Amino acid sequence: AQSVAQPEDQVNVAEGNPLTVKCTYSVSGNPYLFWYVQYPNRGLQFLLKYITGDNLVKGSYGFEAEFNKSQTSFHLKKPSALVSDSALYFCAVGNFNKFYFGSGTKLNVKP
Amino acid sequence: DTEVTQTPKHLVMGMTNKKSLKCEQHMGHRAMYWYKQKAKKPPELMFVYSYEKLSINESVPSRFSPECPNSSLLNLHLHALQPEDSALYLCASSQEVTGDTEAFFGQGTRLTVV
Repeated sequence: AQSVAQPEDQVNVAEGNPLTVKCTYSVSGNPYLFWYVQYPNRGLQFLLKYITGDNLVKGSYGFEAEFNKSQTSFHLKKPSALVSDSALYFCAVGNFNKFYFGSGTKLNVKP
Repeated sequence: DTEVTQTPKHLVMGMTNKKSLKCEQHMGHRAMYWYKQKAKKPPELMFVYSYEKLSINESVPSRFSPECPNSSLLNLHLHALQPEDSALYLCASSQEVTGDTEAFFGQGTRLTVV
């Protein structure tokens, strides 16, 4: 079975500070892991993915994520948060024909 | 063109109406998806089309009927919906169906059933 868990419903961070949004996964076989962001009343936007190779993956808008096989984690990070980063973030695992989404984490970046 | 276009953006329909949601992509993607999303919840997979054939139906009620007229278009026909079907309906596409390619999402149709 494939699943991802996002343990935090909400993350609050001050603008300019580093941010981390957590994701852990449970998959059989090699994991295909993704991060998406959703702004209010919009569809999901792809940020980055891990398929294989380097454990540190860089994506759009300055975001990066670190794949950690021993901890089965794929946390999303950004060195310096912007107010415009405030949105709903979803971690997902890809399996043949499907994406399994985590429950989502609301990121609030305060000025 | 990296867009998935959905129409209409908003739809209000009565429980006896018949309506259709439309989705279009011109990226040459071979997989297309319908998702349903309730407020502050993750998207729930409804249907997957692979090479224009229905490959997955996640036990969706028959009042939702998908159609893939060609490789660029995906429709969702709605009939006799219930108020609990009110949600954001998202269309997505991906290059392949192998699970390692990212999906591109449209901005969704906000459906309200009255």
